[in-house]
Amino acid sequence: NAGVTQTPKFQVLKTGQSMTLQCAQDMNHEYMSWYRQDPGMGLRLIHYSVGAGITDQGEVPNGYNVSRSTTEDFPLRLLSAAPSQTSVYFCASSRDRGSSYNEQFFGPGTRLTVL
Amino acid sequence: QQQVKQSPQSLIVQKGGISIINCAYENTAFDYFPWYQQFPGKGPALLIAIRPDVSEKKEGRFTISFNKSAKQFSLHIMDSQPGDSATYFCAATWSGSARQLTFGSGTQLTVLP
Repeated sequence: NAGVTQTPKFQVLKTGQSMTLQCAQDMNHEYMSWYRQDPGMGLRLIHYSVGAGITDQGEVPNGYNVSRSTTEDFPLRLLSAAPSQTSVYFCASSRDRGSSYNEQFFGPGTRLTVL
Repeated sequence: QQQVKQSPQSLIVQKGGISIINCAYENTAFDYFPWYQQFPGKGPALLIAIRPDVSEKKEGRFTISFNKSAKQFSLHIMDSQPGDSATYFCAATWSGSARQLTFGSGTQLTVLP
């Protein structure tokens, strides 16, 4: 199993450009999520999905869109990039949600710079 | 609104020493407290976790101590090794949040040889 994969690894955008960060998992996990990591801020949840066709907002959703058409894929779209979106983005997945906690598996991250 | 506060921001320990990282939370609904370890250039990975019905959990050199009344929990790394140098995040979650993780701000641990 490849686990959670993310592409690209690095990306530089100009202000106003749009792009999609790709995330895929091959563990048949229901729950997927996107975090951004900024110095001194920990990881903050952007959007998450509890299954195909179901998405919801996290703590910092503004400026980002997601969709979940398949169990495997959970792309994150930046509609009009801003310098404040310069960050490292992590995708994560877990077996399912519910009453018991299931370990979240993180991808290797995408380092995004917006000029 | 930071629901999980973590300290210190950075920590330098000599090889063989004890590393201690502390976290405090506000939401009494939290019912699971994992710690994640992150090496440079990698994603975080689960290290150890505890539920609030126990006061301590130990896995090898890593121990979580939990104080429910004080709403605090801490990670102790015994006999710290240079290979433990990484960033450590505490986190908390509860069933009513669709199991979203709320992370602390992270502690960068450096273990000197």
